[in-house]
Amino acid sequence: EPEVTQTPSHQVTQMGQEVILRCVPISNHLYFYWYRQILGQKVEFLVSFYNNEISEKSEIFDDQFSVERPDGSNFTLKIRSTKLEDSAMYFCASNPGQGSYEQYFGPGTRLTVT
Amino acid sequence: QKEVEQDPGPLSVPEGAIVSLNCTYSNSAFQYFMWYRQYSRKGPELLMYTYSSGNKEDGRFTAQVDKSSKYISLFIRDSQPSDSATYLCASRPGGGTSYGKLTFGQGTILTVHP
Repeated sequence: EPEVTQTPSHQVTQMGQEVILRCVPISNHLYFYWYRQILGQKVEFLVSFYNNEISEKSEIFDDQFSVERPDGSNFTLKIRSTKLEDSAMYFCASNPGQGSYEQYFGPGTRLTVT
Repeated sequence: QKEVEQDPGPLSVPEGAIVSLNCTYSNSAFQYFMWYRQYSRKGPELLMYTYSSGNKEDGRFTAQVDKSSKYISLFIRDSQPSDSATYLCASRPGGGTSYGKLTFGQGTILTVHP
């Protein structure tokens, strides 16, 4: 069964460093998302992406964040200058579109900022 | 005001019990309702999704939405130890696009003991 994959599974970085989290959505899906989950808290929406542009973003998704679909398969989330409070699980999700509303999540990348 | 509220539990039941998991929501625009299962340090796994009010059944799982009271339920029949996980409810508005962000509840931790 097709699934969303994410790399790395765990990323440790120092405050102020740039990180890129990578996702491979399910093939032929059209809508892509990033969510994050701080330990013990809710899963929170960050951004949605369709047709090579951002469709919607949350207040959390400030200028330090950016997303890109550099080729036909990868979808990346970049954090330019990480802060301690960026430590969280980051989940990528995708949706097939064409009237379907389900979002399928990847296993997540655990980001630890020290 | 929290848009989706969910009792975090924890909820502990014996194997074979019927489990009832519940959420309330405040946003009248929500029309799509999902239940996800999340194992520890893993990504949310889509269990069921319903549109507007009504019931939907899939094997041992039944999802129920009552829009008049803004109440979402998931019932698990004949619960198994493998059902032990965190259950997340999520909602999103209707509309003509598929890219709407999901708003999650906090998740209910369920343990089914043999």
